[in-house]
Amino acid sequence: EDKVVQSPLSLVVHEGDTVTLNCSYEVTNFRSLLWYKQEKKAPTFLFMLTSSGIEKKSGRLSSILDKKELSSILNITATQTGDSAIYLCAVEAEYGNKLVFGAGTILRVKS
Amino acid sequence: DSGVTQTPKHLITATGQRVTLRCSPRSGDLSVYWYQQSLDQGLQFLIQYYNGEERAKGNILERFSAQQFPDLHSELNLSSLELGDSALYFCASSWGGAIDGELFFGEGSRLTVL
Repeated sequence: EDKVVQSPLSLVVHEGDTVTLNCSYEVTNFRSLLWYKQEKKAPTFLFMLTSSGIEKKSGRLSSILDKKELSSILNITATQTGDSAIYLCAVEAEYGNKLVFGAGTILRVKS
Repeated sequence: DSGVTQTPKHLITATGQRVTLRCSPRSGDLSVYWYQQSLDQGLQFLIQYYNGEERAKGNILERFSAQQFPDLHSELNLSSLELGDSALYFCASSWGGAIDGELFFGEGSRLTVL
């Protein structure tokens, strides 16, 4: 059964801290790994990773995929209260029709 | 705004009832995906339609069904509702039959079964 596991389930940090969110997966026919941010309603896309070791960056957020270890990390530096959200990791599996989501990491950034 | 439209935004109904959730994909997108998000389960893939045809099936209950119409909008029908069906139901769309990158999510329909 396809599985995506995220850790930690939740964390609370102070503004300015750096956080690392983890995602590990076991899926059939891996195609890509995606990170989403969910604030109030719809998940919004952050990154897609297909090749191992390549870092994707967008401002204070960055992510790396390790295909050997079947895992990915999402780093957020200099956190702000606006980073408070649920961060979802999803893996595109099988023949590209299916996104398997992890349960998410709830991040709360305190001012 | 992702361009994916879902209605209704909120729905409250009783056990045993039937409801229909509606989704209009982004302009030009041919695939529609339905996901269920509950507190204890996270986002669960239910079903995908591509250009009117069922393409992939996930953990969709037999009491649930979906279809995609010629104008590409989709409906998710939930029947014989149970308390455990209370969840946020998301629709997402993509251009092709495979995801190949970003999925665009609607704002969701929150279903409460009393």
